[in-house]
Amino acid sequence: GAVVSQHPSRVICKSGTSVKIECRSLDFQATTMFWYRQFPKQSLMLMATSNEGSKATYEQGVEKDKFLINHASLTLSTLTVTSAHPEDSSFYICSARGEANVLTFGAGSRLTVL
Amino acid sequence: LAKTTQPISMDSYEGQEVNITCSHNNIATNDYITWYQQFPSQGPRFIIQGYKTKVTNEVASLFIPADRKSSTLSLPRVSLSDTAVYYCLFGDGGTSYGKLTFGQGTILTVHP
Repeated sequence: GAVVSQHPSRVICKSGTSVKIECRSLDFQATTMFWYRQFPKQSLMLMATSNEGSKATYEQGVEKDKFLINHASLTLSTLTVTSAHPEDSSFYICSARGEANVLTFGAGSRLTVL
Repeated sequence: LAKTTQPISMDSYEGQEVNITCSHNNIATNDYITWYQQFPSQGPRFIIQGYKTKVTNEVASLFIPADRKSSTLSLPRVSLSDTAVYYCLFGDGGTSYGKLTFGQGTILTVHP
């Protein structure tokens, strides 16, 4: 079945640094991927839609200069959290549509900003 | 935005059948209904998807009435490992399908 891989699964960084999270579709091509953020004991919140070969579409209230998204190939989308601060600490999850249009999610990436 | 309403939490015991109902009053004609399971610190995992009537797979059944304004996920004979958060979502399966809005989900706790 369709598999979406995220890397790294956990990352700890200092305040002010940038962190890149990768999302790969392993056995299918994905022209569109989605990035979500989830805070403890809360639901997933859609941040942006990543489009291969074009600019990402951001949800209202999500800073595009803060969360840079690049979708350079049909199997890879990256999310870069720039100048990270403690309030950016969260669980970031990507997804892509695989077989039968079912949305497949990655395992998530836990970001902790000190 | 696609909005769903589910019970915040449910409790059950091992071996029982669990039914979780979700309301989606503004579902559109082309929308499919999908249920996901999420364990702590993991991404959501696909359980089942349907459009109308009943769908069954190896882990669950999905019941959708004729008006499609609600759906019920049925988990037969739950075990402790079924303790998780369950989300229902709907979308049209097209370009916007992935642009899904997650509701609060239902926290299912299975007791020994």
